[in-house]
Amino acid sequence: GDSVTQMEGPVTLSEEAFLTINCTYTATGYPSLFWYVQYPGEGLQLLLKATKADDKGSNKGFEATYRKETTSFHLEKGSVQVSDSAVYFCALKDYGGSQGNLIFGKGTKLSVKP
Amino acid sequence: ETGVTQSPTHLIKTRGQQVTLRCSSQSGHNTVSWYQQALGQGPQFIFQYYREEENGRGNFPPRFSGLQFPNYSSELNVNALELDDSALYLCASSLAGGRGSGANVLTFGAGSRLTVL
Repeated sequence: GDSVTQMEGPVTLSEEAFLTINCTYTATGYPSLFWYVQYPGEGLQLLLKATKADDKGSNKGFEATYRKETTSFHLEKGSVQVSDSAVYFCALKDYGGSQGNLIFGKGTKLSVKP
Repeated sequence: ETGVTQSPTHLIKTRGQQVTLRCSSQSGHNTVSWYQQALGQGPQFIFQYYREEENGRGNFPPRFSGLQFPNYSSELNVNALELDDSALYLCASSLAGGRGSGANVLTFGAGSRLTVL
């Protein structure tokens, strides 16, 4: 079945460091890909998305490119801030599946130190 | 526009009891999905409701059931609670639509944290 694998955390960085969180997926159809962020005590918020190969999603300085050839959707940010500390979830929505629900990775906790 | 609101935010139950969790959809959304997020894990899809009918279900037993009301709000009911049901339950609303539109993007509530003792 469909699945999402993302790098395990926690990831600890200093402010202004470069961030990469790896995400790869397996899907039977042609999925849309998402990154969600969960701040402490809150629900999930959509960070960015991409619906087809080579699309780049971007928001708040974060970027991810849909790579069909490597089945990847890695999240990057050039300079992280303390306020970026949160748990990041990679997810897919497979329109070829029977339900079209979101399938999430396990999440990667990011801590940014001043 | 209002977001997705869930109630209660926290609750504690004992094994064998029943629980009802509630969700109000974001204004303009017609589809509601429920997810279970165990500690340290990603959310797992429970089921989805569209036009007051269940429109897809994940790998959860029948003691997990739901309702959607004409105003698109929803309830999640869990009977015969087990210890493993302890989790954060997330409700998400969306507007049904195709891949390329802004539809089908889920807006999540803050969740209801259930502890089963």
